Amino acid sequence: GENVEQHPSTLSVQEGDSAVIKCTYSDSASNYFPWYKQELGKRPQLIIDIRSNVGEKKDQRIAVTLNKTAKHFSLHITETQPEDSAVYFCGANFGNEKLTFGTGTRLTIIP
Amino acid sequence: ETGVTQTPRHLVMGMTNKKSLKCEQHLGHNAMYWYKQSAKKPLELMFVYSLEERVENNSVPSRFSPECPNSSHLFLHLHTLQPEDSALYLCASSQDTRTGAEAFFGQGTRLTVV
Repeated sequence: GENVEQHPSTLSVQEGDSAVIKCTYSDSASNYFPWYKQELGKRPQLIIDIRSNVGEKKDQRIAVTLNKTAKHFSLHITETQPEDSAVYFCGANFGNEKLTFGTGTRLTIIP
Repeated sequence: ETGVTQTPRHLVMGMTNKKSLKCEQHLGHNAMYWYKQSAKKPLELMFVYSLEERVENNSVPSRFSPECPNSSHLFLHLHTLQPEDSALYLCASSQDTRTGAEAFFGQGTRLTVV
């Protein structure tokens, strides 16, 4: 079935270090992979996305890599800051209409 | 503000009540979604509408009934809910569903079923 698995569920990182969150998806036809950040009490907001025709995308301290063969993609945050603390969700589209999300990663940046 | 507005923000209802959640977007988007967010399943897709037609019903119990009268408005009608239906209900919209596009979320309705 359509499934997105996300690991780890919680992650604590010292400020300034890097954080990596990984996701796998089940449908090889998926072609759109967004990452959302949800701060406490707020709505999820898109931070970066990648399409299946590229392997990597960067936006300042955030990068996403995609391995289509292995059906997994990862979020990389470098030089982490306290404001990076949040829950992060990866997503994948199934049959285009179904944007399905992973179970989330609670990232805590330790000052 | 992302342009997606949900009302009410909080709702407490009994198991025999009937209530409706409302979502409104003025972004010119063609697709709208309902997600359920709970501790057990953080972002669970419920329904998808594209150009006012339901294109996905993700095995949601019939006590949840969506309605999309036009491309700017989406409702979720609730009746005879169970306590386990207590959750944050998030509405989202996107330009379209065909090629994958950013989904803009509303603030959500915090629903408590007593």
